[in-house]
Amino acid sequence: AQSVAQPEDQVNVAEGNPLTVKCTYSVSGNPYLFWYVQYPNRGLQFLLKYITGDNLVKGSYGFEAEFNKSQTSFHLKKPSALVSDSALYFCAVRGLMDSNYQLIWGAGTKLIIKP
Amino acid sequence: DTAVSQTPKYLVTQMGNDKSIKCEQNLGHDTMYWYKQDSKKFLKIMFSYNNKELIINETVPNRFSPKSPDKAHLNLHINSLELGDSAVYFCASSPGLFEGDEQYFGPGTRLTVT
Repeated sequence: AQSVAQPEDQVNVAEGNPLTVKCTYSVSGNPYLFWYVQYPNRGLQFLLKYITGDNLVKGSYGFEAEFNKSQTSFHLKKPSALVSDSALYFCAVRGLMDSNYQLIWGAGTKLIIKP
Repeated sequence: DTAVSQTPKYLVTQMGNDKSIKCEQNLGHDTMYWYKQDSKKFLKIMFSYNNKELIINETVPNRFSPKSPDKAHLNLHINSLELGDSAVYFCASSPGLFEGDEQYFGPGTRLTVT
């Protein structure tokens, strides 16, 4: 079965510390992986994606993600967290569901950055 | 300029009513989507259109009917609203059906059924 798992409902980080939001996936074929962020009462915003090439992908707002094929993971990272990074983060993978390719979404991880 | 817009932003209505949500994108994209986000923030794809043609129609009640008059617009009509329809509905678009295409989301419509 094709799926995405975000094992942490919530991640708490002190401002200025590095942050990691975890994502693992299960999909047949080459994975196309995405991270989105949702600020309160807003729509989702695209952060970054992995299609092919370098395993370290850089995206918006200083975020990056590391693709690890052997561990089937695509963890989101940032070297130094800001209070304004507090939001809900979604990992997604393009997979085949019911004969259609569509994004398969994780349940989301709430990131809280404390001053 | 707003890339993906939805109207209305808030919709409060009573059970049994019929309502519509409109979505427009000015990105020149070929593909549009409707998602439902429940109270636990879980996202569920409902429909997807590519060049006005329905390509994804997930298991949603047939009270929900999407309509795409042109590829820049995808509206959602809901008949006989039920309490369980209360959620935030997001419209999104992407350039096409390429696996690597990211999606651009509208601000959402919060539907409350009383």
